[in-house]
Amino acid sequence: DTGVSQNPRHKITKRGQNVTFRCDPISEHNRLYWYRQTLGQGPEFLTYFQNEAQLEKSRLLSDRFSAERPKGSFSTLEIQRTEQGDSAMYLCASSPFQGETQYFGPGTRLLVL
Amino acid sequence: GESVGLHLPTLSVQEGDNSIINCAYSNSASDYFIWYKQESGKGPQFIIDIRSNMDKRQGQRVTVLLNKTVKHLSLQIAATQPGDSAVYFCAETRTGANNLFFGTGTRLTVIP
Repeated sequence: DTGVSQNPRHKITKRGQNVTFRCDPISEHNRLYWYRQTLGQGPEFLTYFQNEAQLEKSRLLSDRFSAERPKGSFSTLEIQRTEQGDSAMYLCASSPFQGETQYFGPGTRLLVL
Repeated sequence: GESVGLHLPTLSVQEGDNSIINCAYSNSASDYFIWYKQESGKGPQFIIDIRSNMDKRQGQRVTVLLNKTVKHLSLQIAATQPGDSAVYFCAETRTGANNLFFGTGTRLTVIP
């Protein structure tokens, strides 16, 4: 399967704990995106990488959130001191060029208790 | 708002009938539009896209229509099948932007 992969698929944590998610994009795609999706809503943009450079962050990305893409391949999204409001599906997408279709992974569903 | 999000527009169709899902977009500067299908517990799956220099594009069993005058997008699914049951989202973006803006999804239910 050469699609976008994400791990873990599900994560349950207690409030205040740190969590980290991983995204492996389609191999030839140099653009990588993180989105968050809450129940009944469409995905909302969090941040964007071109190769290893993080070029855009939305206002949704509070200072408790950090994303990296150290070698321009896989990316990690870390949430520190999780809050119940962080419970959501975290989606990763990739695309080969700007303005091209973004292909999504299966998502990581986070539940903060 | 929250109430809109929790009460997705719904469309129920009989198996074999055609489905039409509508979407109004907000940004007149948007020039690229994508339809995604999302099944429960899964990520959005690309269906079809269209750029603003076109008003119609066809794929396998799907057609997207774009009306820039009224900022309206529609997805037509021919001979709808039970496997088409899902939430459908339209997404918009513009040249130079990096993120997609998603509309309120529509839940399609196919009745066997």
